[in-house]
Amino acid sequence: DAGVTQSPTHLIKTRGQQVTLRCSPKSGHDTVSWYQQALGQGPQFIFQYYEEEERQRGNFPDRFSGHQFPNYSSELNVNALLLGDSALYLCASSWPLGGYGYTFGSGTRLTVV
Amino acid sequence: QQQVKQSPQSLIVQKGGISIINCAYENTAFDYFPWYQQFPGKGPALLIAIRPDVSEKKEGRFTISFNKSAKQFSLHIMDSQPGDSATYFCAASGETSGSRLTFGEGTQLTVNP
Repeated sequence: DAGVTQSPTHLIKTRGQQVTLRCSPKSGHDTVSWYQQALGQGPQFIFQYYEEEERQRGNFPDRFSGHQFPNYSSELNVNALLLGDSALYLCASSWPLGGYGYTFGSGTRLTVV
Repeated sequence: QQQVKQSPQSLIVQKGGISIINCAYENTAFDYFPWYQQFPGKGPALLIAIRPDVSEKKEGRFTISFNKSAKQFSLHIMDSQPGDSATYFCAASGETSGSRLTFGEGTQLTVNP
């Protein structure tokens, strides 16, 4: 049973550029959440998607946006990249909505230079 | 505002010893308190979790102790093994926060052989 799959695993971008990260949830999961984990810190909640809509949002600027597709997969987009956006971006899928059964992917390591 | 405070930042124990990590929370609406284990290059994996209606939960060598009045909870790892060397995160969540996870800053545990 495949868990949460994230791509790419590593990415290097230049300040000001835009980036798209992808996530395929665990089989049977329909809710996708995104977290940002800076080096040496705990993950910080970015937003959550369910039924192709953003259901919750953490304290992140509008430069961070997302999308969920009918097959429950999701994308995280970050515009106008800043050096401070360098982090590990984690996708977590779960079921049902409001439940705590999260499965995390291994993340995408984004480096902004 | 950091809502979950974790200590210590790092911990070194000898094989066979007891590892203890502590967390304190502020939001009394939290009703789910998990501990996650993260190895380098991997996403967090659920280790054990507790609800506030019990004061202790044990799964194998891992035990959570919960003190609702003090708003504190801790992870005890008995008979610590070198394979337990990882970063441990406490977290908290609740229905009022839409089941999003609020993480502590993490504890890097090293178990020496």
